[in-house]
Amino acid sequence: GIQVEQSPPDLILQEGANSTLRCNFSDSVNNLQWFHQNPWGQLINLFYIPSGTKQNGRLSATTVATERYSLLYISSSQTTDSGVYFCAAYSGNTPLVFGKGTRLSVIA
Amino acid sequence: NAGVTQTPKFQVLKTGQSMTLQCAQDMNHEYMSWYRQDPGMGLRLIHYSVGAGITDQGEVPNGYNVSRSTTEDFPLRLLSAAPSQTSVYFCASSYFRDSEAFFGQGTRLTVV
Repeated sequence: GIQVEQSPPDLILQEGANSTLRCNFSDSVNNLQWFHQNPWGQLINLFYIPSGTKQNGRLSATTVATERYSLLYISSSQTTDSGVYFCAAYSGNTPLVFGKGTRLSVIA
Repeated sequence: NAGVTQTPKFQVLKTGQSMTLQCAQDMNHEYMSWYRQDPGMGLRLIHYSVGAGITDQGEVPNGYNVSRSTTEDFPLRLLSAAPSQTSVYFCASSYFRDSEAFFGQGTRLTVV
């Protein structure tokens, strides 16, 4: 089945800094999602992005399906951005496969 | 519109006990699935269903049973709980397999 790899595994930022999280996948995908897991454990939908670029406030995402990667950009980070960011991909007949996540800590 | 609702939120079981984790969605989604989350492992698929009456196994199905008698509900049964099943369990739903998936708030299960 498809493999989903995320980098970096851990990231520490000063408040106000920008960051880029990467998601690589091993096969062509039908679709891709980014989630934020907050410190209370909730999974929050960020982007549903098979290709192209989307923006939502300080967050944006780009998926280049032909090159098998997706990027999540966080600008002007805030302490509330802390948590774990997951990407997950659909491929062929397999249900959603998750990467292991990037743990982000934003320090005031 | 409640989305995906999981109950209970927390549960402690003794080894060998059985229980059912409930999952209900009110979005008329055909596709539902169960994941478990363990430290450092991301989320792994246990079972999924493409519609009422149809279920299939995921990556880690052993020790779990599911059924889908209605579109709205997809319960997960632990037949004989083991400490290795200590985890956080998430239920998800989507219109179709590759539509946007929405997750419940999770059930934190501890088996002692």
